[in-house]
Amino acid sequence: QKEVEQDPGPLSVPEGAIVSLNCTYSNSAFQYFMWYRQYSRKGPELLMYTYSSGNKEDGRFTAQVDKSSKYISLFIRDSQPSDSATYLCAMSVPWGSGSRLTFGEGTQLTVNP
Amino acid sequence: DVKVTQSSRYLVKRTGEKVFLECVQDMDHENMFWYRQDPGLGLRLIYFSYDVKMKEKGDIPEGYSVSREKKERFSLILESASTNQTSMYLCASSLPGGYQPQHFGDGTRLSIL
Repeated sequence: QKEVEQDPGPLSVPEGAIVSLNCTYSNSAFQYFMWYRQYSRKGPELLMYTYSSGNKEDGRFTAQVDKSSKYISLFIRDSQPSDSATYLCAMSVPWGSGSRLTFGEGTQLTVNP
Repeated sequence: DVKVTQSSRYLVKRTGEKVFLECVQDMDHENMFWYRQDPGLGLRLIYFSYDVKMKEKGDIPEGYSVSREKKERFSLILESASTNQTSMYLCASSLPGGYQPQHFGDGTRLSIL
């Protein structure tokens, strides 16, 4: 079983819709939770970064972490065509002087005008 | 803004060749990483370096080696390229500390013929 499970999609929504992207995990040692956005032919770009359970909001994006259920979500409000990308969840454990990330497979999102 | 630059966007090599992928970061980050990204498998860590001349194996180091002679530069070496090493290769960097997020370059799409 994979440590991080993410629905690969693809997900297609109309402009203005609320989008919910989700990941579950099995490793209780994960401490930090991230969402990356990856446009086609580009590298992943850090979007949201959280540590504790609860919600973190940044503009139209809200990251939610539920450590008791081992579940994280990313909500996108008022979705725009420019949000069309692959979204990767990532979770980290401290490793040496840095951190070791485990990624979900990514969910491909298309927002249609 | 953190800038992670990978020397080539696209590269085509032949089986058995020795291949060098180069990565440079401009933010004086101690930690640097090499991943490969494949459909259905997500991002997998190949090697990690936490200081000049220091390295740690990731999840899939077989067939690869790395070199870090200067803090800003991290090279991935395919000793004898094989077709199963055709992939997207991503470099990342971060500050030290388990809570520090990783910042990615735009990737090198490598094809081994």
